Amino acid sequence: EADIYQTPRYLVIGTGKKITLECSQTMGHDKMYWYQQDPGMELHLIHYSYGVNSTEKGDLSSESTVSRIRTEHFPLTLESARPSHTSQYLCASSLNPYEQFFGPGTRLTVL
Amino acid sequence: DQQVKQNSPSLSVQEGRISILNCDYTNSMFDYFLWYKKYPAEGPTFLISISSIKDKNEDGRFTVFLNKSAKHLSLHIVPSQPGDSAVYFCAASGGDDKIIFGKGTRLHILP
Repeated sequence: EADIYQTPRYLVIGTGKKITLECSQTMGHDKMYWYQQDPGMELHLIHYSYGVNSTEKGDLSSESTVSRIRTEHFPLTLESARPSHTSQYLCASSLNPYEQFFGPGTRLTVL
Repeated sequence: DQQVKQNSPSLSVQEGRISILNCDYTNSMFDYFLWYKKYPAEGPTFLISISSIKDKNEDGRFTVFLNKSAKHLSLHIVPSQPGDSAVYFCAASGGDDKIIFGKGTRLHILP
């Protein structure tokens, strides 16, 4: 079954730690996206990719980085987590720009 | 500066009645509008869309209306069902493979 996966679902970590949020999709989509969302707020695009070896920064400035070495995999890394990084991170993929398929999200808490 | 605005954070509707969710936008370059639905602890799922060249699109119980002169769109759900209780995000795209989301409206369907 085609799907999009995110791990971990929940992460509580101390300040200064390096973290990687995983995102994988089995639909063969070229386009993939990372969004950040705080409760009651809009989803903000922080990174996107049009395919392997393609990564771009989104509209919201983020200290995170991403890589796209394989079509199905689009991990997000924070080199040194801070409390201001506490948020929900949503990964999505799409064939066309409009109908994006979202993963369940990772809720990150940095203490 | 919010380009997509959902001014009602929440809405309660009796089961079986019509639910109307509203959305305003500021960017006249948007050419595609979308509604996404989100349950707790899940990622958003695509619900329905409308091109800027149309004023109405219907899919089962869901109808989206677009008023370009007023820069306003609405989602009608008829009849409302308990499973429709969720957060609904209005979104728009300007043809650059990116989607701008509103803050969402939480819909409660009352028994």
